[in-house]
Order: sequence, then structure tokens, then C-alpha cells
Amino acid sequence: DTGVSQNPRHKITKRGQNVTFRCDPISEHNRLYWYRQTLGQGPEFLTYFQNEAQLEKSRLLSDRFSAERPKGSFSTLEIQRTEQGDSAMYLCASSLAQLAGGSNEQFFGPGTRLTVL
Amino acid sequence: GENVEQHPSTLSVQEGDSAVIKCTYSDSASNYFPWYKQELGKRPQLIIDIRSNVGEKKDQRIAVTLNKTAKHFSLHITETQPEDSAVYFCAASAYSGAGSYQLTFGKGTKLSVIP
Repeated sequence: DTGVSQNPRHKITKRGQNVTFRCDPISEHNRLYWYRQTLGQGPEFLTYFQNEAQLEKSRLLSDRFSAERPKGSFSTLEIQRTEQGDSAMYLCASSLAQLAGGSNEQFFGPGTRLTVL
Repeated sequence: GENVEQHPSTLSVQEGDSAVIKCTYSDSASNYFPWYKQELGKRPQLIIDIRSNVGEKKDQRIAVTLNKTAKHFSLHITETQPEDSAVYFCAASAYSGAGSYQLTFGKGTKLSVIP
């Protein structure tokens, strides 16, 4: 499968624990995005990487959240001291920077469903 | 920031009929408008997109129209089939200057096609 992959697919944790998710984008894609999706809502932007640089962060991304993309390939999203409100589907998407007029399509991964008890 | 409104939230149509989903956006700088289809428990998948320099785009049974002046865009699905049943999301995006095309999504429309 050459699409975006995410691990784990499901994570159940107790409130206060730390969790880490991994995203492997399509190999040649230099742009990587993290989104969060709650039930009945559209995905909400969290953060953006171009290669290894984290260039944008949403106000939704509290200081308990940290993301990295150390070699410009895979990315991790860590949530410290999880709260019940963090329960959601965490989606990763990747795209390829194009010249003007090229495609902006973002390819989504299957997501990691987090449940905080 | 950008705000995207999507209507209706649910839509039921008979197989073979057409379905129309409408979205409005607030940021006049938005210039890229994709539509994603998400089946239950699966990832969002792009079905069609349009840039702000184009008023309409069609791909087989799916078409999207864009009215920049009114800041609204619509998805049209003709000859609907049961496999079209899913949640559809519209989104809007503007180049951020940092290289990002972060997407702002609507809340989704659950389309049910009745055989």
C-alpha cells in the first residue's frame, strides 16, 4: 500500500497518560498535516510541516500537544496528560508541493482513534 | 480565520435522482475548494476539487460550481447510486505564505441513496 499510513489505528488510554501516534506519508510528499475529527464534525487543522520544519500550528494545539517530523519523512504527534476531551480521530494527510497550477490534493491516512477513559 | 458552512446536514434521495450540497465560505483569499467523501470508518477521499479561477468543473456524474462573488460553492451528483451513500465534506483553503494549504472543513452532509 503506497498511501498514507497511521499507527496505531486505535488507542485507549486513561486520563493523564501520554500517547504518541505515528504517520507515514506518501514517500515523495514534502507537506504533512495533522487534523482532528470528532463525531459528526469535519476534520479540524492542528499543525503543518514542510519537510522537517513545523511551519504552522492551530490555536487548537495546546501545549500538551507536540508534533515532530525529524527527517522530513514520518511524523509523530504526542499528547501529554491526556484529557477526556482529547478523544477523537487524529488524521494525518500529505501532499506534494507543486508549481503554480499544480494539484493541492491532500491524501489522508486512515486515522488513529483515541479514546480517553 | 476561515469559516465554512455546509447544508444540508442530511440528505436522502431516491436512486437515480440528483443530489446537491451547498457550502459558503468567509475568507475572500480562499482559492482552493475540495470535496471529500468519507464512508463509515474510512479515511476522507477527494472526489473533486476546484480552483478560484474556474467557475465549474465536472467529472462524470459529479460536478462542482463556484461563485466567488457570493462566496459559495456546490457539489452536484447526478444519477445517484447506493454506493454514493456516505458523508460528504466541503473545504476551503488559502495559501498561507508558510507553504501551507490548510483545509477548513464544513460539518459534513450525510447522503443516503435509497434503492
